[in-house]
Amino acid sequence: DTGVSQNPRHKITKRGQNVTFRCDPISEHNRLYWYRQTLGQGPEFLTYFQNEAQLEKSRLLSDRFSAERPKGSFSTLEIQRTEQGDSAMYLCASSPREGLYGYTFGSGTRLTVV
Amino acid sequence: DQQVKQNSPSLSVQEGRISILNCDYTNSMFDYFLWYKKYPAEGPTFLISISSIKDKNEDGRFTVFLNKSAKHLSLHIVPSQPGDSAVYFCAASAQMIKAAGNKLTFGGGTRVLVKP
Repeated sequence: DTGVSQNPRHKITKRGQNVTFRCDPISEHNRLYWYRQTLGQGPEFLTYFQNEAQLEKSRLLSDRFSAERPKGSFSTLEIQRTEQGDSAMYLCASSPREGLYGYTFGSGTRLTVV
Repeated sequence: DQQVKQNSPSLSVQEGRISILNCDYTNSMFDYFLWYKKYPAEGPTFLISISSIKDKNEDGRFTVFLNKSAKHLSLHIVPSQPGDSAVYFCAASAQMIKAAGNKLTFGGGTRVLVKP
């Protein structure tokens, strides 16, 4: 499969629990992005990696959020001590280094915090 | 501060007619614009894009127009088909800024319903 894969597709968790999402980008893409989309809104940028280096983090990414891309391949996004306001669709995307051609999104992980 | 805005949350159009979706932006550093289509429970899929050096780009039934002086772009779908029913997002990027890393700034989306 040549697309961006995200797991799990859905996650329901109790407030205060930690959750971790995984993203497998298109193999030849060295840039990987995380976005968050809440109901009725467009996706909002959270952070991005070039290879294993995390180059930018949005102010939306509080201290409870951490993202890694240890070997420059897959990435994980962890949310600690989840809050109801964290309920959203978390989207991963990948792109080649130069330009926006081929910028591809995964199907997302929908998080519900109860 | 919303840098990309889609002021029409929804649009209903008859099959075969034209759908026109609008998008406004405020950041003059944006120089590349994209439209994405999103079905429920799926990620956004790329539809069409335009660079700021152009004012029009066409791909089949989809045409994007860019008015830089007005900081406005629009997407025309002609003819509209029932399968076009989805949420459409306008997105912008500052390609000239290397540090921006190709991150996209999205509008809030317009839900399009094409009636048979």
